[in-house]
Amino acid sequence: KQEVTQIPAALSVPEGENLVLNCSFTDSAIYNLQWFRQDPGKGLTSLLLIQSSQREQTSGRLNASLDKSSGRSTLYIAASQPGDSATYLCEGGSEKLVFGKGTKLTVNP
Amino acid sequence: EPEVTQTPSHQVTQMGQEVILRCVPISNHLYFYWYRQILGQKVEFLVSFYNNEISEKSEIFDDQFSVERPDGSNFTLKIRSTKLEDSAMYFCASSRDRKNEQYFGPGTRLTVT
Repeated sequence: KQEVTQIPAALSVPEGENLVLNCSFTDSAIYNLQWFRQDPGKGLTSLLLIQSSQREQTSGRLNASLDKSSGRSTLYIAASQPGDSATYLCEGGSEKLVFGKGTKLTVNP
Repeated sequence: EPEVTQTPSHQVTQMGQEVILRCVPISNHLYFYWYRQILGQKVEFLVSFYNNEISEKSEIFDDQFSVERPDGSNFTLKIRSTKLEDSAMYFCASSRDRKNEQYFGPGTRLTVT
C-alpha cells in the first residue's frame, strides 16, 4: 500500500531564501509524481509533474527531482516570495493515487 | 486555457439525502478522478474512471458512492444516502492519460447536517 510522507509539516522562511520541501513514498512502482500548491479554501494548482522515467523537472523558480530507488522527491523553490505562501502537496502512485499531508509554507516579507 | 469546472461550489444537504456533484473535465482528457478533503485533513483518492468504467477505487468508495459520465461532457459523483462524515470538499480532476498531469477543479464543499 502506497504511503506518502511530507516533511516538514510547516516551514516559515524570510523572503528571498532558497528552500527545499521533501516528499517520500513507499512504493517505487509509481507512474509519476506530481507537486501541487493549495491556497486556503481553494483547489489544487499543478506545479510540476515528473514521469517515473525522469529525474527532474523545472518551471521558473521551481525545480522538482525524483529518485525512485530511494523513494524520494524534493521540490526546490529559489528566491522565495510572500506569494509562494501556501500548502505544497505531492502525489504519487500507480493505479491508486496517494497524497501527502502537505507542507505549509509561510514566506515572510 | 482549458480548465476543469465543478458545480455547485457549495451544497448543503440533510443526512440521508442523495446528492449529485457535477464536474466538466477538460475536453480532450480521457481519465477522470474524484477526491475528497475533509477539513484539516489530507486529500484522499476516491475513484478513477476511464473508458466509461471505474478504473480504480479506494476503500472509501463504498456502495454509497457511484460515478457516471451521463453525456460527452459531464462526470458526476453520486452519494446515495449522505452521512455527517461525508462533509468535505470534493475535487474532480482529469488527465489526458493515466501518466499525464492531472488538472483539478475548484471543488464542491459538501455540508451534511
